[in-house]
Amino acid sequence: AQKITQTQPGMFVQEKEAVTLDCTYDTSDQSYGLFWYKQPSSGEMIFLIYQGSYDEQNATEGRYSLNFQKARKSANLVISASQLGDSAMYFCAMVPKWGGSYIPTFGRGTSLIVHP
Amino acid sequence: DAGITQSPRHKVTETGTPVTLRCHQTENHRYMYWYRQDPGHGLRLIHYSYGVKDTDKGEVSDGYSVSRSKTEDFLLTLESATSSQTSVYFCAISESDRDRVAFFGQGTRLTVV
Repeated sequence: AQKITQTQPGMFVQEKEAVTLDCTYDTSDQSYGLFWYKQPSSGEMIFLIYQGSYDEQNATEGRYSLNFQKARKSANLVISASQLGDSAMYFCAMVPKWGGSYIPTFGRGTSLIVHP
Repeated sequence: DAGITQSPRHKVTETGTPVTLRCHQTENHRYMYWYRQDPGHGLRLIHYSYGVKDTDKGEVSDGYSVSRSKTEDFLLTLESATSSQTSVYFCAISESDRDRVAFFGQGTRLTVV
């Protein structure tokens, strides 16, 4: 069984500073994908970034980067130069890449508030 | 944006009535999922489908049934709605290969009174 843990219910950051949102996972699968989603107050789920378990380099998408440490089973999201519009809930998720039933499993989320 | 449409977007219903939520996709993706989102629980999987007429239960399937008669449509039915099923329901889709990124619909806010 897969499990995603997000230990930070809420985070605060000053505008223009960087922030790291933690995510640890537990799986017996050898190959899997890790994802982060953003959910603003309007409610939609927005895909941010993807990391494959066999990818050697950490994924980056603009101001978002994923700090992937496979041995520690962590996949932290780093947001650089925070903006007020980054205030939202952030969810970490995982899905096996081969075998299994390809079911994304989600953490409980971290609420990020960006202060001006 | 992935072509996923959920209907209705909002619904208020009475306890004991049946309710059906619809998810429609235009991406021809194989996998479709229904999640519910509740404060403190994140997203929990209700049911999923891995093809036409191929469905299976998720973590919180009691009180829910699903059907998928066409690739593009995945229906979630609450057989007899209860107040505990008041929630926001999300449909998601993903391909069977490549990165398996799940794309989400806009969500349906269901209130059972």
